[in-house]
Amino acid sequence: QQQVKQSPQSLIVQKGGISIINCAYENTAFDYFPWYQQFPGKGPALLIAIRPDVSEKKEGRFTISFNKSAKQFSLHIMDSQPGDSATYFCAAYGGATNKLIFGTGTLLAVQP
Amino acid sequence: EPEVTQTPSHQVTQMGQEVILRCVPISNHLYFYWYRQILGQKVEFLVSFYNNEISEKSEIFDDQFSVERPDGSNFTLKIRSTKLEDSAMYFCASSGQSSYNEQFFGPGTRLTVL
Repeated sequence: QQQVKQSPQSLIVQKGGISIINCAYENTAFDYFPWYQQFPGKGPALLIAIRPDVSEKKEGRFTISFNKSAKQFSLHIMDSQPGDSATYFCAAYGGATNKLIFGTGTLLAVQP
Repeated sequence: EPEVTQTPSHQVTQMGQEVILRCVPISNHLYFYWYRQILGQKVEFLVSFYNNEISEKSEIFDDQFSVERPDGSNFTLKIRSTKLEDSAMYFCASSGQSSYNEQFFGPGTRLTVL
């Protein structure tokens, strides 16, 4: 119940394309869903986050789509750039816990 | 921009030795966390700390682990007797006035146990 499932494990996208990463959760008490970006040798950095009272949040080229009934959320990176090449983690938070539950990560490679 | 700092960046130790990983959270934050990431795997929660006490810990955080906020700025993770499987990247994080605020992560300490 505490797991967050993330797919795909890795993703190769051409420059200018759309990158889509999906996550699913089971615990309906989760009420905060951040996405973190991690470059090699660095700590995770918050990219964008959403709460379940909205179905979509957009910040620049990054959009989270949230489907509360399906308990799924996804990250869309529009106009993907080589600088976006990193590992992306979805996470969930809420309920009786104050810890972030991370997905397994997606290694994104954007080819020039 | 304020940031979480961690020292050392890399720690090599022999199995059975004690290590202390140090973190300086963002100065006005109230919630502090340790996470770890075994190479190539996901980030896993270890422990959260608020108001000078542990608020939550995972099953990984056994009696070999302890945390301390010895003064107003540092937050430490001690592993009393390291095992080979403790080799990982350890991240400190902090968040502000509410635990729902963004958790800011430090750059991590790579712990290698030989």
